[in-house]
Amino acid sequence: DGGITQSPKYLFRKEGQNVTLSCEQNLNHDAMYWYRQDPGQGLRLIYYSQIVNDFQKGDIAEGYSVSREKKESFPLTVTSAQKNPTAFYLCASSPNRELSGNTIYFGEGSWLTVV
Amino acid sequence: AQTVTQSQPEMSVQEAETVTLSCTYDTSESDYYLFWYKQPPSRQMILVIRQEAYKQQNATENRFSVNFQKAAKSFSLKISDSQLGDAAMYFCAYRSAWGGSQGNLIFGKGTKLSVKP
Repeated sequence: DGGITQSPKYLFRKEGQNVTLSCEQNLNHDAMYWYRQDPGQGLRLIYYSQIVNDFQKGDIAEGYSVSREKKESFPLTVTSAQKNPTAFYLCASSPNRELSGNTIYFGEGSWLTVV
Repeated sequence: AQTVTQSQPEMSVQEAETVTLSCTYDTSESDYYLFWYKQPPSRQMILVIRQEAYKQQNATENRFSVNFQKAAKSFSLKISDSQLGDAAMYFCAYRSAWGGSQGNLIFGKGTKLSVKP
């Protein structure tokens, strides 16, 4: 089945550790995104990538890093510099980056908790 | 910068009845797209309906329809014949027609819909 797969579903991080959230899509979409959702809030954009080997910061990129070495993969690393990382993280993708009106589709999300 | 406002944090509807969720937005652009996403307890964001700003006709998808008022910058979602499975958070979102960072989704804070049997 085509879709966006995020792993792990639940992740616990100790203070000072870096952790990486995986996002893989087999939809042949050009663009991929990472969003963060806090309780009672909408989604906020962390990073996005419109093409392989290229990515841009979103609204809340501080303390996060990404890579886009393959079209189907867009992993997000939450670094120790992110002071409040506990949140729900959603990966998304959309077709042809030139067509901004294309719908953005989401994965099932990953919960990150700092312990 | 564009903003999206959902003024109803929570709504409730009786099963089989109709409910309308409100959304307003602010933009200086003339070309853009609007979306309603549903987020059930599983937390996955599911597209409900989309509207192109250049189209005057309101979008419909089965029991879901929108009332798009471009001049008023209003984009409400009507759910007819409400079902228990409609219970979820509903997010209104805006996307510029321009590419690059302007083409990213801007979300409202959501409306929690409860459906009573």
